[in-house]
Amino acid sequence: EDKVVQSPLSLVVHEGDTVTLNCSYEVTNFRSLLWYKQEKKAPTFLFMLTSSGIEKKSGRLSSILDKKELFSILNITATQTGDSAIYLCAVEAWGGGADGLTFGKGTHLIIQP
Amino acid sequence: EADIYQTPRYLVIGTGKKITLECSQTMGHDKMYWYQQDPGMELHLIHYSYGVNSTEKGDLSSESTVSRIRTEHFPLTLESARPSHTSQYLCASSGDRGREQYFGPGTRLTVT
Repeated sequence: EDKVVQSPLSLVVHEGDTVTLNCSYEVTNFRSLLWYKQEKKAPTFLFMLTSSGIEKKSGRLSSILDKKELFSILNITATQTGDSAIYLCAVEAWGGGADGLTFGKGTHLIIQP
Repeated sequence: EADIYQTPRYLVIGTGKKITLECSQTMGHDKMYWYQQDPGMELHLIHYSYGVNSTEKGDLSSESTVSRIRTEHFPLTLESARPSHTSQYLCASSGDRGREQYFGPGTRLTVT
């Protein structure tokens, strides 16, 4: 059974701090790993990672995948209160019956002013 | 901006009632998904569809059923709601298999 474990489950930091969110996974026939940001409503897509060692970057957010060690990190620099959200990691597999994503429980990030 | 809609956004209903949660997308996506998310817990896939007349059960067993008569529409039905069905239901779609799924705003269902 595919499994995604995120850590920490919750994190409180001050505005301006840098945070690192972790995601480890066990999946048969790995295809990609995705990061989503979930605020009050539905998750919104951040990154998709398919190749090891390549950093994806968007503004203050960046992410990298280690396919050998089966984990990914999401970095947020110079955090702002608007970054407060639940950050979800999900993995996608090739083949198999179910064709959706397997999600972790998420990291609840709170940025204090 | 993704265009995927869910109605109702909130629903409180009594035990035994039949309910249908609506999901529509205007992006022409073939793939659509329903996820269930309990508070503080991860999303679980309960149904998915590759296209018109295609429906499959997901990883999490669910008493709900779905239909896909039109590309843009993927409703979820509970024939007889129970308190154990209380949860948030998220609909998503993608233009390719499992990739960059776009999510609707969700329906928060409470069964009393």
